[in-house]
Amino acid sequence: GAVVSQHPSWVICKSGTSVKIECRSLDFQATTMFWYRQFPKQSLMLMATSNEGSKATYEQGVEKDKFLINHASLTLSTLTVTSAHPEDSSFYICSARVSSLKAYEQYFGPGTRLTVT
Amino acid sequence: GESVGLHLPTLSVQEGDNSIINCAYSNSASDYFIWYKQESGKGPQFIIDIRSNMDKRQGQRVTVLLNKTVKHLSLQIAATQPGDSAVYFCAERYQGGKLIFGQGTELSVKP
Repeated sequence: GAVVSQHPSWVICKSGTSVKIECRSLDFQATTMFWYRQFPKQSLMLMATSNEGSKATYEQGVEKDKFLINHASLTLSTLTVTSAHPEDSSFYICSARVSSLKAYEQYFGPGTRLTVT
Repeated sequence: GESVGLHLPTLSVQEGDNSIINCAYSNSASDYFIWYKQESGKGPQFIIDIRSNMDKRQGQRVTVLLNKTVKHLSLQIAATQPGDSAVYFCAERYQGGKLIFGQGTELSVKP
């Protein structure tokens, strides 16, 4: 149980175009989803926290107009990279949190490799 | 040996030896800590966790130690195997549940 999927697993796009990445919790409902970005040989950097049905909360330094996050249902969150540039090339990872009486549990997706040419 | 800087610190061990990976966390108010393993091109995989009211927790072949005085975590892997080769991250939870990741250490196991 507690599987998180991402689609696509990798994508190549041209500079100036937009690309959407989906994050789904397959067998549980996630009230909160998180988006991370990871550059090669570096750690995961939290970009934003999204709660179902409300606006995402972005970390300092992350452009909300460039990285559009939509969390329309308890099993789906999307990240859209708008007007992508080569410096946006990175590994994007989402995670979904189960909200339960016992504890918060957070599960990670397999990541999406974005290459902007 | 280890190296720090813009690149991930690396730890190289011989198969069968024990590995110790260290992590410094940033916030004294963090209440929960997790160690993750990340293989190339994949998402983080949960290894073991520990709450701030504990100082040691053991799993299968892994042990996590927490020293709140100096804000330090360590992950000990017993009888390290080639399949343990990966990047290891510690993460701390604070501010309403955000997980913040540490720098990471690349573990290389020589057969």
